[in-house]
Amino acid sequence: SQQGEEDPQALSIQEGENATMNCSYKTSINNLQWYRQNSGRGLVHLILIRSNEREKHSGRLRVTLDTSKKSSSLLITASRAADTASYFCATGLFNDYKLSFGAGTTVTVRA
Amino acid sequence: DAGITQSPRHKVTETGTPVTLRCHQTENHRYMYWYRQDPGHGLRLIHYSYGVKDTDKGEVSDGYSVSRSKTEDFLLTLESATSSQTSVYFCAINAGQGAYEQYFGPGTRLTVT
Repeated sequence: SQQGEEDPQALSIQEGENATMNCSYKTSINNLQWYRQNSGRGLVHLILIRSNEREKHSGRLRVTLDTSKKSSSLLITASRAADTASYFCATGLFNDYKLSFGAGTTVTVRA
Repeated sequence: DAGITQSPRHKVTETGTPVTLRCHQTENHRYMYWYRQDPGHGLRLIHYSYGVKDTDKGEVSDGYSVSRSKTEDFLLTLESATSSQTSVYFCAINAGQGAYEQYFGPGTRLTVT
C-alpha cells in the first residue's frame, strides 16, 4: 500500500507565486524524498530529507519534515512555467532501499 | 536519465502474449527496480533487485517475473499479458551504500489489447 499521500491533488498558480504541497505518511521513516515528473518523462529526484532533519533547501525548493505529525511539505518559491509538472513524495524505511510513492500533486504554472 | 535506458519505449501487444521489457544501466549500481504508473496510483513497485540473481517482490508482483543475470540489465517479463497490465513502466536504479535516491529511466508505454 502507498505510504505517502500528497495534498492537494492539483494546484494552479500564477507565474511568480509560491506553490506549496504536502505529504502525509503512516509509519516511521528513515528519509522522505520529493521527485518531479514532467509530462511523458521519468521521475527526477529533487531533494531528500532525513528523519533527523527538520528543514532543507535546494535553490527555490524548501522542504520541511515534521515526524511527530508524519508530514512533509514542499515549497517552490517564485514559480516559473518550467515548474509545471507532477510532484511526488516518497518515503524510505530504515535499512531499506525501497521507496513508497504517493499519487502525486499536479502543478500548473500559468503565464 | 542517469545512464538508464529502457527498451522498447512503446509496445502494443495482444492479450495472452508474453512481453519482456529491458532496463539497462551504465552506472554499475547495485539496486534496480521496476515500477508501474497508473492514473491516480502514483508509482507502485513490481519487483526489485539487490544484485545479480538477487530479486524480490514488490507490492504488485502478480503476473510479472524478473531476471538479472548481469549487473547492467534487469528484465521484466509479463508471461501472459492482460489488459490490466496496460500501463507505463519505469525502471530505476540506486547506488546503495547509504544513498537512498533513485534515478529513473524514460519509461515504456505498454498497451495490451
